[in-house]
Amino acid sequence: EAGVAQSPRYKIIEKRQSVAFWCNPISGHATLYWYQQILGQGPKLLIQFQNNGVVDDSQLPKDRFSAERLKGVDSTLKIQPAKLEDSAVYLCASSLDPGPNSPLHFGNGTRLTVT
Amino acid sequence: DAKTTQPNSMESNEEEPVHLPCNHSTISGTDYIHWYRQLPSQGPEYVIHGLTSNVNNRMASLAIAEDRKSSTLILHRATLRDAAVYYCILRDVLAGGTSYGKLTFGQGTILTVHP
Repeated sequence: EAGVAQSPRYKIIEKRQSVAFWCNPISGHATLYWYQQILGQGPKLLIQFQNNGVVDDSQLPKDRFSAERLKGVDSTLKIQPAKLEDSAVYLCASSLDPGPNSPLHFGNGTRLTVT
Repeated sequence: DAKTTQPNSMESNEEEPVHLPCNHSTISGTDYIHWYRQLPSQGPEYVIHGLTSNVNNRMASLAIAEDRKSSTLILHRATLRDAAVYYCILRDVLAGGTSYGKLTFGQGTILTVHP
């Protein structure tokens, strides 16, 4: 099966600019996650979707980050305006359902550098 | 979220078995024990998971203590491709819609494999 696709692979922007990341999950996967991974740390969950509804966005900085999953398939994560501390790898993952027996499948991420 | 404790790093020689320990003394009865690994410049990859009984798959074995307060991931014959960060994570079942089975990553164990 095709894996989770993310684009772009790399992005360099200046602070205060905006940026968007795109994710195409594995076909049929109802649950989609966005994680942020800062260098040297484990991934941190930003937002979790079940189909096209948000079920957990407790760690999403909502003053600057937004995400949507229209039609319950593809998803975009946006940062506006970006700060230096947003430099990280943004990982998208999907699973069949949110249950503990459904493993997460991760994409290879988008590496964002904010200068 | 229940926490896990792992050694920061471990080393192994190629073709030898590797035992990666994880302590989770505050585990609840509904927490599943999950292991993921992350190779350099890639997203995390699912390895194995279990609830109470030991589990085997093509990648590894998971040994769970009888009191479930600790577990061990076993790589039977390490290869250079197994060099990665290994994460031990407790994943809750859906609990009235509060946790949605999310994965909360810690720092993990950096495994180095020597030829």
